[in-house]
Amino acid sequence: DTGVSQNPRHKITKRGQNVTFRCDPISEHNRLYWYRQTLGQGPEFLTYFQNEAQLEKSRLLSDRFSAERPKGSFSTLEIQRTEQGDSAMYLCASSPPGQGPYEQFFGPGTRLTVL
Amino acid sequence: GESVGLHLPTLSVQEGDNSIINCAYSNSASDYFIWYKQESGKGPQFIIDIRSNMDKRQGQRVTVLLNKTVKHLSLQIAATQPGDSAVYFCAPTGGTSYGKLTFGQGTILTVHP
Repeated sequence: DTGVSQNPRHKITKRGQNVTFRCDPISEHNRLYWYRQTLGQGPEFLTYFQNEAQLEKSRLLSDRFSAERPKGSFSTLEIQRTEQGDSAMYLCASSPPGQGPYEQFFGPGTRLTVL
Repeated sequence: GESVGLHLPTLSVQEGDNSIINCAYSNSASDYFIWYKQESGKGPQFIIDIRSNMDKRQGQRVTVLLNKTVKHLSLQIAATQPGDSAVYFCAPTGGTSYGKLTFGQGTILTVHP
């Protein structure tokens, strides 16, 4: 147990619906990351927060995707108007403050299935 | 762009053997490298890391070797156990962004009792 928690663990939705995932990082970690992983591939970086500031976004993060970390603690990832291609495991990771780089601790992921 | 590749996508060994998993990376600005283990249905789990000012680092039953000249690193697992069966990823970072890990496709390690 790395201490990063994600909810829900599984989500099944119909195409066109909106979904929101939550990530709670390890409490003293100020950096939070979102990745997406499809079957047979390694995780792909989506976005990164330091405290509440979103510092980097991947080209993979289309306009339908939005991530927030309003108080610098938990984060949410919302996907609007879901498409079948959004089906994947969505992973959250966190790392501690200070001069980087540091290992990223991953949560168990949220598996999204879009029907 | 960044590419990270593995020489062997699958590796099958007998319990007790030593395992070597290789990883090539392309971004010469990478200066921090992490190996992760991912079991089915779980998030990646940190194994060991190495910074670019080192060429070898040892942990418990694992050793990572880094060759910056040819942009290659390897993970050696001693006395492999069935519980080591998983997908292994190397993830370089550094250069313009320490926030972004770039994972390769992964190597599937299967350990037979």
